[in-house]
Amino acid sequence: SQQGEEDPQALSIQEGENATMNCSYKTSINNLQWYRQNSGRGLVHLILIRSNEREKHSGRLRVTLDTSKKSSSLLITASRAADTASYFCATVISGAGSYQLTFGKGTKLSVIP
Amino acid sequence: DSGVTQTPKHLITATGQRVTLRCSPRSGDLSVYWYQQSLDQGLQFLIQYYNGEERAKGNILERFSAQQFPDLHSELNLSSLELGDSALYFCASSPTGERDTQYFGPGTRLTVL
Repeated sequence: SQQGEEDPQALSIQEGENATMNCSYKTSINNLQWYRQNSGRGLVHLILIRSNEREKHSGRLRVTLDTSKKSSSLLITASRAADTASYFCATVISGAGSYQLTFGKGTKLSVIP
Repeated sequence: DSGVTQTPKHLITATGQRVTLRCSPRSGDLSVYWYQQSLDQGLQFLIQYYNGEERAKGNILERFSAQQFPDLHSELNLSSLELGDSALYFCASSPTGERDTQYFGPGTRLTVL
């Protein structure tokens, strides 16, 4: 079953604009990770934010985590055509005794040159 | 390149057949995870191994089995294949199998005809 739900399902923006994707989840987590997937290819790890962190940056990426609302957002600034991909949030559920990732359905981002 | 390798890249087979998918984790990683990505179910965790031992099981069918060998590579065996087993199968690895980043391989695309 899906733990995370990304919103929006699809997003189309012009190159240079910022893209914001949101993720909501249902149960307490240990950490939350964002991945990118180019069409039909492997998943590339972008960033990991732990449950005791509120914000994290990596290059043009900014991730926030609000554990009280059980939500996270991924902001990509100054988007490029190469950012076109599907973006997934994935959670590691705390206290489950195992550390598998539970993925949302993803946001499909299209950056138009 | 994540350092995780998977073979084969593509596999086309018939219903009722059995196939084996292979995964080599990143050097030094002890844990291997298997995930299935299909259009209707999204990305789903199947099974995790840590240093040769099964650690966690997800939505893995009884027709599917996996193992991790002493050299830490892993194989996923799918038998009595059905049309609905057509999907992308990903392997991921992580150093400790706990709350760390998982690095994904490029995937094996299985088509069951």
